[in-house]
Amino acid sequence: KAGVTQTPRYLIKTRGQQVTLSCSPISGHRSVSWYQQTPGQGLQFLFEYFSETQRNKGNFPGRFSGRQFSNSRSEMNVSTLELGDSALYLCASSLDADSRRVSYGYTFGSGTRLTVV
Amino acid sequence: GNSVTQMEGPVTLSEEAFLTINCTYTATGYPSLFWYVQYPGEGLQLLLKATKADDKGSNKGFEATYRKETTSFHLEKGSVQVSDSAVYFCALSQGGKLIFGQGTELSVKP
Repeated sequence: KAGVTQTPRYLIKTRGQQVTLSCSPISGHRSVSWYQQTPGQGLQFLFEYFSETQRNKGNFPGRFSGRQFSNSRSEMNVSTLELGDSALYLCASSLDADSRRVSYGYTFGSGTRLTVV
Repeated sequence: GNSVTQMEGPVTLSEEAFLTINCTYTATGYPSLFWYVQYPGEGLQLLLKATKADDKGSNKGFEATYRKETTSFHLEKGSVQVSDSAVYFCALSQGGKLIFGQGTELSVKP
């Protein structure tokens, strides 16, 4: 059974540009979440999608956006990149349909390492 | 708000030593609790989980018990190996998202 697949693995962008990251969840998982990992702030929640709808959102500026397609694949977009957006972006999928009660947990991908120069 | 606090690292142990990584949480309601492990250059791997009070999660020799009375979920292993060297994250679930501790780096020397 394939795991969570994130592409690309590495990305270098220039300040002011925009970037799109992709995540393919485990087959059958309809919940997809995104996290940002930095040395200073640790792991922070960006947003969660379930059945093409954003179900939860973290405290990030509007430059960070996402979407989910009918096959549960998800993309996140960051516009007007800043140096501080350099981070490892992790995607996670879950079999849990009810966000109020997490039983199965979340399976993470290997992440996309974004460097903004 | 909900939060997770882990003991600071790095933790350095000799092979076959006993491991404890402390984790305490603050939460409303009864969240599920998780331990994740991250090896260099990789994403997070679910190590174990517990979904209700007094549940014990276990995997690969690691154990943690959901203690509601002390709001803790300490990770233990009786005999660590060099291959256990990694960063360990304690986390709780809240409304569809995970709240993580700051991570504890473990280094096991032969």
